[in-house]
Amino acid sequence: DIQMTQFPSSLSASVGDTVILTCRASQGISNYLAWFQQKPGKAPKSLIFAASILQSGVPSKFSGSGSGTDFTLTISSLQPEDFATYYCQQYDNYPWTFGHGTKVEIK
Amino acid sequence: QVQLQESGPGLVKPSGTLSLTCVVYGVPISSSHWWNWVRQPPGKGLEWIGEIYHSGSTNYNPSLKSRVTMSADKSKNQFSLNLTSVTAADTAVYYCARDRFFDQWGQGTLVTVSS
Repeated sequence: DIQMTQFPSSLSASVGDTVILTCRASQGISNYLAWFQQKPGKAPKSLIFAASILQSGVPSKFSGSGSGTDFTLTISSLQPEDFATYYCQQYDNYPWTFGHGTKVEIK
Repeated sequence: QVQLQESGPGLVKPSGTLSLTCVVYGVPISSSHWWNWVRQPPGKGLEWIGEIYHSGSTNYNPSLKSRVTMSADKSKNQFSLNLTSVTAADTAVYYCARDRFFDQWGQGTLVTVSS
């Protein structure tokens, strides 16, 4: 299985900050990488697929980049509704696998 | 607008079978999409269970493959999950989701395995 490692596992940030979340695959996955946002008690929400393509309706404050093994999710101008856990997921090789998440908390 | 909705028993006895259904609204499951199950144990991360195409083709996570069966019913526009020989480790919120990058999710349903 491809292991997806996210770091940091958690971070504290202030409203208005820009944060960069990192996801690393244990082997190359081209750009078959998705990002999700999950709030407590809710289903994950798709933000990005193909490493950098925003899902319809997702604000442009979210951006993704990377290819191969290293990927980032950048969230600019953090707002209260952005505080959540973010997961990456690869869909290059079966079984599809997720990272363990990065929890973005309010400082 | 695409919506997915899971349903099924919230409590299953150990060694029993977990059976869930996902009804899809807004798009036929016979369209060109893979339909997935993903689970999340309380307080933990996400695990992909498997996927099914409307033709009946399936792919399962090898970690669960011996216990998982998925099926699709085009007449009811829904797909289903059966997980046999469940233990407490199978207690989780179970989600259905569309496509391999999970662009649409159901709201999830908590299944507890307990006697």
